[in-house]
Amino acid sequence: GEDVEQSLFLSVREGDSSVINCTYTDSSSTYLYWYKQEPGAGLQLLTYIFSNMDMKQDQRLTVLLNKKDKHLSLRIADTQTGDSAIYFCAESYTGTASKLTFGTGTRLQVTL
Amino acid sequence: GAVVSQHPSRVICKSGTSVKIECRSLDFQATTMFWYRQFPKKSLMLMATSNEGSKATYEQGVEKDKFLINHASLTLSTLTVTSAHPEDSSFYICSARDRAVETQYFGPGTRLLVL
Repeated sequence: GEDVEQSLFLSVREGDSSVINCTYTDSSSTYLYWYKQEPGAGLQLLTYIFSNMDMKQDQRLTVLLNKKDKHLSLRIADTQTGDSAIYFCAESYTGTASKLTFGTGTRLQVTL
Repeated sequence: GAVVSQHPSRVICKSGTSVKIECRSLDFQATTMFWYRQFPKKSLMLMATSNEGSKATYEQGVEKDKFLINHASLTLSTLTVTSAHPEDSSFYICSARDRAVETQYFGPGTRLLVL
């Protein structure tokens, strides 16, 4: 079966970098995503990476993929209080419009 | 960007009653919508895939007679929780697939509390 695991909680100080990690088991995943969920709200797609890529950078966000170890990470540079939320990694076979398998979610707390 | 709405945003009902949740794509046509359920402090679990004009495809372990899905138009899918019980209390999130850009957009979610 498919399993996507994340650590439950991360606390960082404002201005520092945050690194959120995710491991998955299904080697046939072709797309890997990071979503952000603010309290009581739906999900916002932050970024995604194809499985044949190692890294993708988008402004303050950097995604690293180690396909051999099935490890995905999201680095947020210069973390702000507005980044406090739950971050989910997710995987799919065929793209952003297809069925997604979500990780357990990491709650990021940004302190002053 | 594309917007997906859900109605209601919160609902409280008595045990044994049925509750209907609507998911609408506001500025695009969605031939496929997905229904997810999220337990407190847990991940999202896909319940079913809703296809316009045809029957929904349910994930293993999801009772199709309990969670009725109707995708009657290209902009609306509904999830009806029938004979709701307290264990059905959860956060239900839909997403809609925009085929024009092959992207999935999520609704804001509906919080259901069954007393």
